[in-house]
Amino acid sequence: DGGITQSPKYLFRKEGQNVTLSCEQNLNHDAMYWYRQDPGQGLRLIYYSQIVNDFQKGDIAEGYSVSREKKESFPLTVTSAQKNPTAFYLCASSQQVINQPQHFGDGTRLSIL
Amino acid sequence: DAKTTQPPSMDCAEGRAANLPCNHSTISGNEYVYWYRQIHSQGPQYIIHGLKNNETNEMASLIITEDRKSSTLILPHATLRDTAVYYCIVRGLYSGGGADGLTFGKGTHLIIQP
Repeated sequence: DGGITQSPKYLFRKEGQNVTLSCEQNLNHDAMYWYRQDPGQGLRLIYYSQIVNDFQKGDIAEGYSVSREKKESFPLTVTSAQKNPTAFYLCASSQQVINQPQHFGDGTRLSIL
Repeated sequence: DAKTTQPPSMDCAEGRAANLPCNHSTISGNEYVYWYRQIHSQGPQYIIHGLKNNETNEMASLIITEDRKSSTLILPHATLRDTAVYYCIVRGLYSGGGADGLTFGKGTHLIIQP
């Protein structure tokens, strides 16, 4: 089936450690996105990428880093500089065509011990 | 992108039509209205979007007022599986197409009662 795969579903890390969240899509979409969701809140944009080897900061990029070496993959690293990393992280992708919707993965729940 | 206003919660009886309102009074001419829903602990699911004409697909119908300042998402025969948070999002067109983020508010928590 075509879709967006995020792994792992749950992730636990010690404070001060960097952690990388995986996002893979087989929809042949050019654009990919990372969002963060805190309990009872909407989604906030961390980073997005319109094309391979290019990405842009979103509203809350501090403490995060990304790479886009392949069209299918857009991993997110939560660094030790992120002060409050415990959250639900969502990856999305879309076609680079006007008004096409974004499609989301099922998320990774990150908890810092 | 224009700001949207939605009621925080709504109830609907199973089998009835669920009508979810959204106000977007500052919407501009090139901005689309999108609806997503999110079931607890899952990623948001795209439902439908429209510019000014009413739209219908296998999931729902979208009714946009003539002045485009508000819209209603209609789930024609609600089931228990439709219990979710529903987000109304207004988004403009950019030269880069789809490659910019969506602004999600807190949405409407729709509870389908058996």
